[in-house]
Amino acid sequence: GENVEQHPSTLSVQEGDSAVIKCTYSDSASNYFPWYKQELGKRPQLIIDIRSNVGEKKDQRIAVTLNKTAKHFSLHITETQPEDSAVYFCAASRRGNLIFGKGTKLSVKP
Amino acid sequence: DSGVTQTPKHLITATGQRVTLRCSPRSGDLSVYWYQQSLDQGLQFLIHYYNGEERAKGNILERFSAQQFPDLHSELNLSSLELGDSALYFCASSGIAGGRETQYFGPGTRLLVL
Repeated sequence: GENVEQHPSTLSVQEGDSAVIKCTYSDSASNYFPWYKQELGKRPQLIIDIRSNVGEKKDQRIAVTLNKTAKHFSLHITETQPEDSAVYFCAASRRGNLIFGKGTKLSVKP
Repeated sequence: DSGVTQTPKHLITATGQRVTLRCSPRSGDLSVYWYQQSLDQGLQFLIHYYNGEERAKGNILERFSAQQFPDLHSELNLSSLELGDSALYFCASSGIAGGRETQYFGPGTRLLVL
């Protein structure tokens, strides 16, 4: 079955800096890769997603890149703000069943 | 607000007991997914239902079962509860069968087994 590895598990940056979170997946048939943001005690919220036929997608300060050959994808957050502090989860999916990485706790220091 | 509702928000029970968690998907969504989130295991996929039929099983214990009703709401039944079952249980719904599916999560049910 699919296995998703996510790094780092914790990330601390200064406000205004960039943050990068990386994930690798094992099932080459996976074709959908969403990223979720989860604040403490709240539900995961989709922030961006990418399909396997696209190499990069951007939405304001957030971008995701996908390397199908290497089976890894990354989340890039630029100009970080304190409200970006949360746990971020990557996931991979082939038939809609999301397999999640273990999460990255991002702390943005003002 | 994602449009996905879950009840109850909190549940406290004892070992050996049985509980039922309820999920109502977004209007029009046919798929419901259940996930378990514990501190040391992250978000674990449990089971997927589409229009009343089971589509896929993940790491779901035999003590757990689920179903999706004709009105598309779903219930997750947890029996013979153990301390280790304490976790946040999320359901999510999506509207497209197969291919890309954007999942929207409910607010979760926090289960505490004492």
